Amino acid sequence: DIQMTQSPSTLSASVGDRVTITCRASQRITSWLAWYQQKPGKAPKLLIYKASSLQNGVPSRFSGSGSGTEFTLTISSLQPDDFATYYCQQYNSFSYSFGQGTKVEIK
Amino acid sequence: QVQLVESGGGVVQPGRSLRLSCAASGFTFSSYGMHWVRQAPGKGLEWVAVISYDGRNKYYADSVKGRFTISRDNSKNSLFLQLDSLRTEDTAVYYCAKTAMVFAVLQPGDYWGQGTLVTVSS
Repeated sequence: DIQMTQSPSTLSASVGDRVTITCRASQRITSWLAWYQQKPGKAPKLLIYKASSLQNGVPSRFSGSGSGTEFTLTISSLQPDDFATYYCQQYNSFSYSFGQGTKVEIK
Repeated sequence: QVQLVESGGGVVQPGRSLRLSCAASGFTFSSYGMHWVRQAPGKGLEWVAVISYDGRNKYYADSVKGRFTISRDNSKNSLFLQLDSLRTEDTAVYYCAKTAMVFAVLQPGDYWGQGTLVTVSS
């Protein structure tokens, strides 16, 4: 199975900061990677699919990049609504594995 | 608008069974694959199973293979997850999610339900 590793596990940042989260796959997944945002007690929300495609309705401050085994999610200017946990997920194979999550906290 | 509503969760003893349902509306259910994803209390997301739009193809996580069964009824816009031989480690919120693209299974979930809590405890 493909293992997904996110870093960091926790990130402390201030409103207006540029934030980058990394996701590494244990084997090549071309661009079959999604990013989700989850707030406490809520369902995950799809932000990015196919590594860099922005889901409808998601603010343009979110962007994704990468291919192969290394991917990044960038928030260009962190807003109060962005404090949440972020997960990557590969869909290159029928294991659909998630990363362990990155919690973005208020500094 | 797309709506997914899970039901059927509850408290169950180890070794017993439970059947979860997901009622879908706001989209052509019979054209999309559907996922089940779970989240143990305080933990991350774990993909559980996926079923193709026509129900012919089903895939499972190793942790549930042989114990859980995914199915769907396109005439009733409903998705199901049969949970058998439950273990304490199956305790989680279970979410259903619609795949992002028609007729495709290898897709992320673009719309999710609110989840239903399954607690396995003696």
